[in-house]
Amino acid sequence: GQSLEQPSEVTAVEGAIVQINCTYQTSGFYGLSWYQQHDGGAPTFLSYNALDGLEETGRFSSFLSRSDSYGYLLLQELQMKDSASYFCALSYNTDKLIFGTGTRLQVFP
Amino acid sequence: NAGVTQTPKFRVLKTGQSMTLLCAQDMNHEYMYWYRQDPGMGLRLIHYSVGEGTTAKGEVPDGYNVSRLKKQNFLLGLESAAPSQTSVYFCASSYSFSYEQYFGPGTRLTVT
Repeated sequence: GQSLEQPSEVTAVEGAIVQINCTYQTSGFYGLSWYQQHDGGAPTFLSYNALDGLEETGRFSSFLSRSDSYGYLLLQELQMKDSASYFCALSYNTDKLIFGTGTRLQVFP
Repeated sequence: NAGVTQTPKFRVLKTGQSMTLLCAQDMNHEYMYWYRQDPGMGLRLIHYSVGEGTTAKGEVPDGYNVSRLKKQNFLLGLESAAPSQTSVYFCASSYSFSYEQYFGPGTRLTVT
């Protein structure tokens, strides 16, 4: 089967850096995506890694290592508005995504 | 552009009742998806469509049916609702390759 594991919860303070890990047990996938979801809201796309390495988008960066079967989302200069749930998702083919169970990030002042 | 819209936003059903959830997108996307989200379970794919007139099963298709008669609309049907179908349902769409999906606001369904 296909499974993606994430920590259930992460806490940090404003201005800090936090890393949210995503490990998986599969091969032959196209890439790894990250989504953000605020409480009561809809998921929104953050980033996508098709290749190994780091992708940077403003304060957010995402990393993929196929040889180590893991990826992570790095959030820098944390702000209160970054408090949300973050989901990794694998593209096994061009048709669909399989999502992880999500990590709830709480940012404290 | 409205993006992806879902109707209704909330619904309460009794066990055994039927209903249809409507998803509409105005971005001319080929692919559309229906997910359910339960606490601690993340997003699980119910059914999806890669184009008008096509549908396919996802991870948790039992108890649901879908139709994609028009490119912009994707309907999710529950023929005989069960309490286990209490969940938040999200619709999403994407141009083609699935990694960047645009989600609707969700429908909160309670089955008593």
